[in-house]
Amino acid sequence: AQSVAQPEDQVNVAEGNPLTVKCTYSVSGNPYLFWYVQYPNRGLQFLLKYITGDNLVKGSYGFEAEFNKSQTSFHLKKPSALVSDSALYFCAVRDKNNFNKFYFGSGTKLNVKP
Amino acid sequence: KAGVTQTPRYLIKTRGQQVTLSCSPISGHRSVSWYQQTPGQGLQFLFEYFSETQRNKGNFPGRFSGRQFSNSRSEMNVSTLELGDSALYLCASSLTGLGEKLFFGSGTQLSVL
Repeated sequence: AQSVAQPEDQVNVAEGNPLTVKCTYSVSGNPYLFWYVQYPNRGLQFLLKYITGDNLVKGSYGFEAEFNKSQTSFHLKKPSALVSDSALYFCAVRDKNNFNKFYFGSGTKLNVKP
Repeated sequence: KAGVTQTPRYLIKTRGQQVTLSCSPISGHRSVSWYQQTPGQGLQFLFEYFSETQRNKGNFPGRFSGRQFSNSRSEMNVSTLELGDSALYLCASSLTGLGEKLFFGSGTQLSVL
């Protein structure tokens, strides 16, 4: 079974509109949750993480993510998209109950049109 | 502080050969993990090393191996290369690897002909 699912291969949004990139996970317990962004020809960069505490996590570049334990989701959001946000976004889970293995989603390509 | 450095940046090999990729973590980081990125499979975890010991391993065949040296530098080796091994191989480091953010290198693009 897939541990991390990003159901959308691609998300298209107009500049200035809010954006959501979806992520659900299927590991037990309370995993560590992360979002990373990858720009063309570059490695991944950390955006934000959820360890414990407040369900709304704020990160870099105005991004935030909402942890929902009942729905096992960790969706990435931004109130107003910029063209420069266009990139590949990865959700990741650190499974504390399975030797801290790291699982990444398949990635979602975000296209922000001017 | 220097970032995570991966060498070489590009590599072209033929089927059946073996290859060694290198990763130098950020100074002070003791955890190094490796990932394979392909357009079809996304990002897949290969293995993680901490203080010269393999702490975690993904679901890859034994042809994929790695090691970590006392200075935390890590190498990844792939033997008997197959066409399907063509991918971007990413290395990431962190202080201890538990719940911390990862710092990624730019990767090594391996092409197997």
